[in-house]
Order: sequence, then C-alpha cells, then structure tokens
Amino acid sequence: AQSVAQPEDQVNVAEGNPLTVKCTYSVSGNPYLFWYVQYPNRGLQFLLKYITGDNLVKGSYGFEAEFNKSQTSFHLKKPSALVSDSALYFCAVRDGGDSWGKFQFGAGTQVVVTP
Amino acid sequence: EADIYQIPRYLVIGTGKKITLECSQTMGHDKMYWYQQDPGMELHLIHYSYGVNSTEKGDLSSESTVSRIRTEHFPLTLESARPSHTSQYLCASRGQGPYGYTFGSGTRLTVV
Repeated sequence: AQSVAQPEDQVNVAEGNPLTVKCTYSVSGNPYLFWYVQYPNRGLQFLLKYITGDNLVKGSYGFEAEFNKSQTSFHLKKPSALVSDSALYFCAVRDGGDSWGKFQFGAGTQVVVTP
Repeated sequence: EADIYQIPRYLVIGTGKKITLECSQTMGHDKMYWYQQDPGMELHLIHYSYGVNSTEKGDLSSESTVSRIRTEHFPLTLESARPSHTSQYLCASRGQGPYGYTFGSGTRLTVV
C-alpha cells in the first residue's frame, strides 16, 4: 500500500518570499516521487521527479524538491515566489519496483501568492 | 505541447443523455488512466488500462465505462448522465520506465 499526505490545504505567501509545499509519503518499495501543478480548468503539468541519485532535484519554473528518506518527505520549494505561481500543487508517489504500479496522489495544496 | 488530447474541453448536457468523453494520446503509451476531480480538488482514479483490451476499475466507484480497442484511444462513456456526474474528468497516460503521467487538459462536464 502507498499513501501521500499534503498536510496543508492552502499555503499563503507574499511575492518574493520563499515558498514551501509539504509532502510526506509511504510506499513499500523504492519511492518514485513527483510534483505536479494545476492551473484553473487545466490538466496537471509535470514539475519535477525524484527517482534516484541526488536528493535535491530541480525542476521547471525555478522549483526544486528535496528527498529525505529518513523523514519520508519530498517538500517542494521555490526561493522567491511569483504571483504566477498561484495554483494547485499535487505530490505523487509510486513504487519504483512495480512497473505496473499506479500513482498515489496527495489531496493537493492550493498556493496563493499575493503581490 | 500536449501529446494527450481530451475532447470536448467543456460539455453541458441534460439529465439522461448518453455521453462519451474522448481521450487520445500519440506517445504509444500502454498505460492510460481516468481521474475524476471535484471542486474540492482531490483526484480520484475511476478507470485504468494497461493495454489494448485491458480495463480495470479504479479506487472510486463510477457509473461510467471505458474501452481500449486501440492503444492510442481510451474513451469514457456515461450511459445516462445525472447531475451527480458533474465534475472535471482528467485523462492521463504513462510509458514504460521511471516516468510520470502525462495529463490531458481535462473535460469539465456539467449535467443539468
């Protein structure tokens, strides 16, 4: 079984300030971890992923995430938020040892960046 | 650019009508998925397929049905639409290997 927790329904941040969106996960095998962003009335867009290697992964639009195995976390970060970063963010996990495995998505975190 | 296409983007339909939401991908992916997303944001897996002639029900029970006659095509059908079916429906696909899903733009369905 696998699960993802995004503990915050909404994150509010002022433009220019650092942005962090939290994600913790549980998976029986090796975790493949992903972040997606969704703008209103759109599908989900891929931001970044962790498969193996360096714990700090960099993705699109200046976002990065840090894989922490001991804390089973994969928090999304951006050093300086933009108003255009306001969107819905989803964390997802799947078991890397199961090629047929489905993704488990978190419930989503709404990010609101104010000018 | 999207390699997975959902038609239509928006649909308003009367109760009792039969509808089919189209999903097509040009990436040759074997695995395809349908998610239902309510205004409360959370994604619910309703159907998935691992290849031609393979379809499975997802975690959320749904009155819809799907078919997979061709690799690139994974349509979802509602035989008799009801207001409770009002939602956004997202289609996704995935290839072999350590890849994520590619999502379509979604179909926002309103049943009146």
